[in-house]
Amino acid sequence: QQPVQSPQAVILREGEDAVINCSSSKALYSVHWYRQKHGEAPVFLMILLKGGEQKGHDKISASFNEKKQQSSLYLTASQLSYSGTYFCGTHNTGTASKLTFGTGTRLQVTL
Amino acid sequence: DTAVSQTPKYLVTQMGNDKSIKCEQNLGHDTMYWYKQDSKKFLKIMFSYNNKELIINETVPNRFSPKSPDKAHLNLHINSLELGDSAVYFCASSGLSYNSPLHFGNGTRLTVT
Repeated sequence: QQPVQSPQAVILREGEDAVINCSSSKALYSVHWYRQKHGEAPVFLMILLKGGEQKGHDKISASFNEKKQQSSLYLTASQLSYSGTYFCGTHNTGTASKLTFGTGTRLQVTL
Repeated sequence: DTAVSQTPKYLVTQMGNDKSIKCEQNLGHDTMYWYKQDSKKFLKIMFSYNNKELIINETVPNRFSPKSPDKAHLNLHINSLELGDSAVYFCASSGLSYNSPLHFGNGTRLTVT
């Protein structure tokens, strides 16, 4: 069963912040985040391993709550280039060969 | 230098035909994948290969047959194409670890008429 993301879609004005959530019904070992622009392939953003760590680069960061089997992606001071569909991908323990992607969140940043 | 390349980019064919999609990676990765992205944009794993061996087969109809001649190549052959096979098919590769990101090819848009 694929992870569920929320919200399904969000529209922001440039400079606003957004949070995208990813929730799994299964125990997680790692969470990946990817962004896909229209007509292109998904592009890797970051990976979080179990341990509740938080990662970030520039104005995009993420957290991973292993106990709640959830991860959140934080986009601050959004830019037009942040527009796209965001996917979380999850590894369950013992299945490093299978990354299951979430339902996706469409993000649109406007002027 | 394209890291993961797949061909063709577009494929338009009629129901009942057989078609193949090819994928090659030059990243030295051990693991390669096929993912299907449907009209709702859901990305679903189809197959996963590790060093030429099939690891994951996600209850895909046996009309779909992947083949990995070596760890840098993973092809997908589809027999007796159906309308529901229309989608974008992505090849990807990664190292075999939880912290190894997936690198995707540019996708093949398959349209079955």
